[in-house]
Amino acid sequence: AQKITQTQPGMFVQEKEAVTLDCTYDTSDQSYGLFWYKQPSSGEMIFLIYQGSYDEQNATEGRYSLNFQKARKSANLVISASQLGDSAMYFCAMREDSSASKIIFGSGTRLSIRP
Amino acid sequence: DVKVTQSSRYLVKRTGEKVFLECVQDMDHENMFWYRQDPGLGLRLIYFSYDVKMKEKGDIPEGYSVSREKKERFSLILESASTNQTSMYLCASSTSRVLNTEAFFGQGTRLTVV
Repeated sequence: AQKITQTQPGMFVQEKEAVTLDCTYDTSDQSYGLFWYKQPSSGEMIFLIYQGSYDEQNATEGRYSLNFQKARKSANLVISASQLGDSAMYFCAMREDSSASKIIFGSGTRLSIRP
Repeated sequence: DVKVTQSSRYLVKRTGEKVFLECVQDMDHENMFWYRQDPGLGLRLIYFSYDVKMKEKGDIPEGYSVSREKKERFSLILESASTNQTSMYLCASSTSRVLNTEAFFGQGTRLTVV
């Protein structure tokens, strides 16, 4: 069964530092996709970045990059040069090819950026 | 601009009431989802639908049912609301059969059962 684990309930980071949010996953599929979402205090869910299981390069989107280690089944989100506006909940999610409709989420990490 | 709209932002209902949460999307997506979000538990999948009149249970379907009579609308039904169903409910939609497309979310409904 597919499963997403985020082991960091909360993190504090100094502004302008880089931060890594951990995500491990469990699946028996060879083909799957991994997503990261940001949820600020306003409650909206904002899609950040996607990594496919067959992608050879780590995904990058601006200040966001995904450290994808397939053998370890980890897909950590790296935010470079953190900003106050990065303070939010962050969720890792997965979609398997065999059940392409279903998307499951982890428990989330609350990131707080200190000025 | 793509849109997923949930009918209510806040709801207060009494224990035992039948509650309907409505969600509409305008992107012609095949898939629609209902999640509940609780502190420390993240988003947990209640039900999802991959086509009109088709539905599958998620991880926590007990106490809930769903209806999808039209492609754009997906309803979550609490047959007899209980206090442990007090939560934030999020609806989402996505296209099917393409792994690399994200789900789009509504603004959420905060339901309080008293």
